[in-house]
Amino acid sequence: GAGVSQSPSNKVTEKGKDVELRCDPISGHTALYWYRQSLGQGLEFLIYFQGNSAPDKSGLPSDRFSAERTGGSVSTLTIQRTQQEDSAVYLCASRPSFGPMAGELFFGEGSRLTVL
Amino acid sequence: KQEVTQIPAALSVPEGENLVLNCSFTDSAIYNLQWFRQDPGKGLTSLLLIQSSQREQTSGRLNASLDKSSGRSTLYIAASQPGDSATYLCAFSVGYNTDKLIFGTGTRLQVFP
Repeated sequence: GAGVSQSPSNKVTEKGKDVELRCDPISGHTALYWYRQSLGQGLEFLIYFQGNSAPDKSGLPSDRFSAERTGGSVSTLTIQRTQQEDSAVYLCASRPSFGPMAGELFFGEGSRLTVL
Repeated sequence: KQEVTQIPAALSVPEGENLVLNCSFTDSAIYNLQWFRQDPGKGLTSLLLIQSSQREQTSGRLNASLDKSSGRSTLYIAASQPGDSATYLCAFSVGYNTDKLIFGTGTRLQVFP
């Protein structure tokens, strides 16, 4: 597609349930990022992929959070046993690794997660 | 810990004014700096990217400058319009094709007619 696509756009779940959030990056972008934006807070880095590997997962808040990327394309962020403090907008971004746009991040519109 | 501060946190101005948004960072070893805008309920839209070897970038009514020695970046918006109303975020990276951007908390701008 033309831009970074995320699904679902909105997710309401009950505390303790597992959720999966999906990101389709821009075709050909080798780098993919997940960020979290809580109400009134700045963007918090979660994890970074280069291809299918994750050289930096230092931002994942706990072992309930995991992410994978397959085929150098689609990524899934999984949150197990959700807690109310997980409520936030989860933003995905991608960028090309080469060329004049190599440093520029392109963001999706986010998945808004609400944990009741 | 790397920190990014944006001043002011909020700004409300009449249409037509020229604006300056400030971004300061504690790590002078930044590689590049990027400015974004975020509309309510939306993702981030990239405005300008200043690469390591550059000092400024311009796009239309927007001009961003970067002074690594002082740890500051400035976004200048000329002849502001109501459509410029949004939150403006700066973010920097610390290495070539590095793993992450460090974001500021943003300046919320409102331009009224």
